[in-house]
Amino acid sequence: EVQLLESGGGLVQPGGSLRLSCATSGFTFSTYGMSWVRQAPGKGLEWVAGIGGGLDYTADYAESVRGRFTVSRDNPKNRLYLQMNNLGADDTAVYYCAKGYRVAVLRDYYDHWGQGTLVLVSS
Amino acid sequence: DVQMTQSPSSLSASVGDRVTITCRASQGMSNSVAWYQQKPGKVPTLLIYDASTLHSGVPSRFSGRASGTDFTLTISSLQPEDVATYYCQKYNSSPPGYSFGQGTKLEIK
Repeated sequence: EVQLLESGGGLVQPGGSLRLSCATSGFTFSTYGMSWVRQAPGKGLEWVAGIGGGLDYTADYAESVRGRFTVSRDNPKNRLYLQMNNLGADDTAVYYCAKGYRVAVLRDYYDHWGQGTLVLVSS
Repeated sequence: DVQMTQSPSSLSASVGDRVTITCRASQGMSNSVAWYQQKPGKVPTLLIYDASTLHSGVPSRFSGRASGTDFTLTISSLQPEDVATYYCQKYNSSPPGYSFGQGTKLEIK
């Protein structure tokens, strides 16, 4: 059974940093593209960042986070990460880890989602 | 960059009704569109990919169609458990930003 479990969220002051982690199991992590998708309170889904799988670990970012967020993966540990710097109020959201459906595809659709971790940016 | 405009933003229908939600692309694109269902307080789940392929385990009352720049999700006979917000998503595109539609909140009359 595929499982995704996010951690690392919490309250952070504007301008601060957080590192989110997504622990995965139940599939061959290294071969699948993975993404972070966020959802601000009462709002819709926003794709944030993604990283490829297979032989190409290219990273993609939404314009709103490029230069501030960094997505990475540790294949031996089956973990996905999102380093978030210079956080602002607009970054307040539940952050979901999502698994791509197709092997080695970066810009994919998602067949499994974690339960999410809340990031609250406030002074 | 292809933009997806989803409509309506909210919808109220009766049990047994046929319901259609549309995502319109700003320009021609491939059939790389997926649909998700997000029930209140829950995580999104995949319904349809490649515009019309039903994901495993999804009830057959859900269907998807592509026609030109319009992508539609149809529920043939609305059930109470279909109360949710529905999102379209484009993928395989460059750049990847703005990949989700704005969402359609579906309620029962």
